[in-house]
Amino acid sequence: NAGVMQNPRHLVRRRGQEARLRCSPMKGHSHVYWYRQLPEEGLKFMVYLQKENIIDESGMPKERFSAEFPKEGPSILRIQQVVRGDSAAYFCASSPPGVQGSNEKLFFGSGTQLSVL
Amino acid sequence: GDSVTQMEGPVTLSEEAFLTINCTYTATGYPSLFWYVQYPGEGLQLLLKATKADDKGSNKGFEATYRKETTSFHLEKGSVQVSDSAVYFCALGLNYQLIWGAGTKLIIKP
Repeated sequence: NAGVMQNPRHLVRRRGQEARLRCSPMKGHSHVYWYRQLPEEGLKFMVYLQKENIIDESGMPKERFSAEFPKEGPSILRIQQVVRGDSAAYFCASSPPGVQGSNEKLFFGSGTQLSVL
Repeated sequence: GDSVTQMEGPVTLSEEAFLTINCTYTATGYPSLFWYVQYPGEGLQLLLKATKADDKGSNKGFEATYRKETTSFHLEKGSVQVSDSAVYFCALGLNYQLIWGAGTKLIIKP
């Protein structure tokens, strides 16, 4: 039973390019969460999604960032027109089905390290 | 607002030493508390958790007790090993969100 899979592990982009980060949740999990870790800081919540629905995007920057979790396929975190300040580790987590998400049954991926040149 | 403060690192210890990593929190509700560990080059793994006051979480020789009166959840281990070298994160859970401390890097020397 594979864990949460994130790819790529490392992504290098130049300023102004787009970054697409992928997350495949654990088998059977229907809730996905994205967190961002800036250097020397703890993780910060970005967005919580269920299949085809954004439940809470209160941690997402208002511009350039978007996330989706389609009916088929992985969840995608998309950053348009990247800037140097977007350089960070982006972690995805998933949790099993339920009425709502759970902070006690989270499984994390290994993260994607985004570097913006 | 809700927050977590944990001891700054790096913390450097010799093998078999006693470990304490301090963690305190501020929360408006009744959070669950967690310690996660990140080994070099790997993702985050749940180390232990406690869901209510006075609960003790334990795993792999690590322990932490949920102290509501001092709003703390300090991580302890009686005898550390080189393989414990990693970054340790304290976090509190409210609803489906986790609020994280900045992490403490632990270095164990043989």
